[in-house]
Amino acid sequence: DADVTQTPRNRITKTGKRIMLECSQTKGHDRMYWYRQDPGLGLRLIYYSFDVKDINKGEISDGYSVSRQAQAKFSLSLESAIPNQTALYFCATSDFGLRQGRYTQYFGPGTRLTVL
Amino acid sequence: QKEVEQNSGPLSVPEGAIASLNCTYSDRGSQSFFWYRQYSGKSPELIMSIYSNGDKEDGRFTAQLNKASQYVSLLIRDSQPSDSATYLCAVLYSGGGADGLTFGKGTHLIIQP
Repeated sequence: DADVTQTPRNRITKTGKRIMLECSQTKGHDRMYWYRQDPGLGLRLIYYSFDVKDINKGEISDGYSVSRQAQAKFSLSLESAIPNQTALYFCATSDFGLRQGRYTQYFGPGTRLTVL
Repeated sequence: QKEVEQNSGPLSVPEGAIASLNCTYSDRGSQSFFWYRQYSGKSPELIMSIYSNGDKEDGRFTAQLNKASQYVSLLIRDSQPSDSATYLCAVLYSGGGADGLTFGKGTHLIIQP
């Protein structure tokens, strides 16, 4: 079984609809992230969470919200989807070693979202 | 502002040759550097991490870091068609509570059989 899973894997929706993307992990990591990827723009950080009570905005949080329901679950919501939110969305988790800089980030398989 | 710059390519390299991928970053406080490989439509996969100046080798891959020049590179020796992918340079800047990787836009590498 995959360590980081995302549901749904593909979603087509209409402008103005509310959408939730879910992420679950079995790696036992405290840190979880949501990124979006657009052609020519690379990966950009939307939100990140250090633990259940610690949620932070990333580079492009406008139009998005998140919920950390448990250590293993981190959901991304689009309250009112718009076409320019069409993108590939990735969830990721990370460990952070006791020594500075020993860090690895693991990505889920991605959710392809299309907003019409 | 944290920025990571890569040449988008495509970079075309003959099979068996050395592929050289380059990356520069803007934040001098950055401590950790990563190379991810991403096949089309798939998630990024970590292939190399480097934290200290100099070279780090892992199989056919060598990462090079020069913090003074704010420059990171990835060399792929004996390039194979399966190495054809987009390579993402990523930098971790942890400061002031910030976290998460800053990614370059990626270099599209094509290995020609």
